[in-house]
Amino acid sequence: QVQLVQPGSDLKKPGASVTVSCKASGYIFTAYAMNWVRQAPGQGPEWMGWININTGKAYYAQAFTGRFVFSLDTSVSTAYLQISGLKSEDTAVYYCATDLTVAGRKAFDIWGQGTMVTVSS
Amino acid sequence: QSALTQPPSASGSPGQSVTISCTGTSSDVGGYEYVSWYQQYPGRAPKLIIYEVNKRPSGVPDRFSGSKSGNTASLTVSGLQAEDEAAYYCSSFAGRTNMMFGGGTKVTVL
Repeated sequence: QVQLVQPGSDLKKPGASVTVSCKASGYIFTAYAMNWVRQAPGQGPEWMGWININTGKAYYAQAFTGRFVFSLDTSVSTAYLQISGLKSEDTAVYYCATDLTVAGRKAFDIWGQGTMVTVSS
Repeated sequence: QSALTQPPSASGSPGQSVTISCTGTSSDVGGYEYVSWYQQYPGRAPKLIIYEVNKRPSGVPDRFSGSKSGNTASLTVSGLQAEDEAAYYCSSFAGRTNMMFGGGTKVTVL
């Protein structure tokens, strides 16, 4: 079946880096863009940006430029989110999401289960 | 860009209807027919229930409906059921490649 699989959680110290993976299965990985969404505890989601799977070009929301990098390994149908210089305010659940059945309609119908990144000394 | 504005909470008794608003600007909600709504249970990923203002993905009950007037979009849940108790988030295209989410509305079934 169609799914995006993410690791459950990661604990990092301030200043460290983290890489969150998102492995796709059940569909043609290169046919749909991958988006990343952050949700801090008790808050609404924040759209971070997206990556074009075919070109590898990434587009970042204004609040997510600089320390955030989207990348791909198409050989294993996996997208990655790397965050460097971690701060306590980066503590959040990070989701990958795509638009399989609503392609081009600016909505996300397939979501990973989310990775809880905790930044604490 | 600020998040879209939603009321923090809404409630209704089983069988009743509840409507949630989502207010943006002419640069997002008012400017495009790309408003979506998501349902989220605690500890779970959001689930798409409405896209393009008023369209439902396959499998979403027709108790969920969406509309838009000017810079404000709305989600109505008719015939409230216990399983509708969840957080609901709106989202809108905001031009170029940008998307925005609302702050969320917690729906309580009394």
